[in-house]
Amino acid sequence: DTAVSQTPKYLVTQMGNDKSIKCEQNLGHDTMYWYKQDSKKFLKIMFSYNNKELIINETVPNRFSPKSPDKAHLNLHINSLELGDSAVYFCASSPTLTVYEQYFGPGTRLTVT
Amino acid sequence: QQPVQSPQAVILREGEDAVINCSSSKALYSVHWYRQKHGEAPVFLMILLKGGEQMRHEKISASFNEKKQQSSLYLTASQLSYSGTYFCGTVGGSNYKLTFGKGTLLTVNP
Repeated sequence: DTAVSQTPKYLVTQMGNDKSIKCEQNLGHDTMYWYKQDSKKFLKIMFSYNNKELIINETVPNRFSPKSPDKAHLNLHINSLELGDSAVYFCASSPTLTVYEQYFGPGTRLTVT
Repeated sequence: QQPVQSPQAVILREGEDAVINCSSSKALYSVHWYRQKHGEAPVFLMILLKGGEQMRHEKISASFNEKKQQSSLYLTASQLSYSGTYFCGTVGGSNYKLTFGKGTLLTVNP
């Protein structure tokens, strides 16, 4: 069984479109995250949720909106996509909000043309 | 604030040793190490906590100097499977935010 899964794995879309990425974890973890990894491999946190509550909301354009329907799912919706949004987006989870290892999903490669 | 990793890249022959360093200008609560192979997700290696012990993962170990806010990752007798990008991540405050360094690309050749 996959611990942290994301769909889709690849997403190619045009500027201005709206798209969503879904993430699910079956580890029973309380905390989930979204990271963005750019072309230079820089891995930067975007959001974190703990038991469906938004905890970390980094300086991210408000075109990005996370939603956590339950603690096993964390989705990312992106409005009005721009070229600079092209990146690999990773979902991750950890047992709790405090210091624990994070388990990453396989990533979603978003390409905006 | 983003931790600084060095070196940016290192090339080894199988069996050689390497050290990757991670430093922060802020007081740290913990240091995390991850490895990412090309086209894959980052994979957790180990956490070093303030006041904690040196950690090991197979032939990879790490230390945390709290006074200097530095951590080092030691790869002993490197194997081909060690190739990848190593990231250190630091947690400095009560917001539990893990901030990653820019990574160190390690290449192990036969």
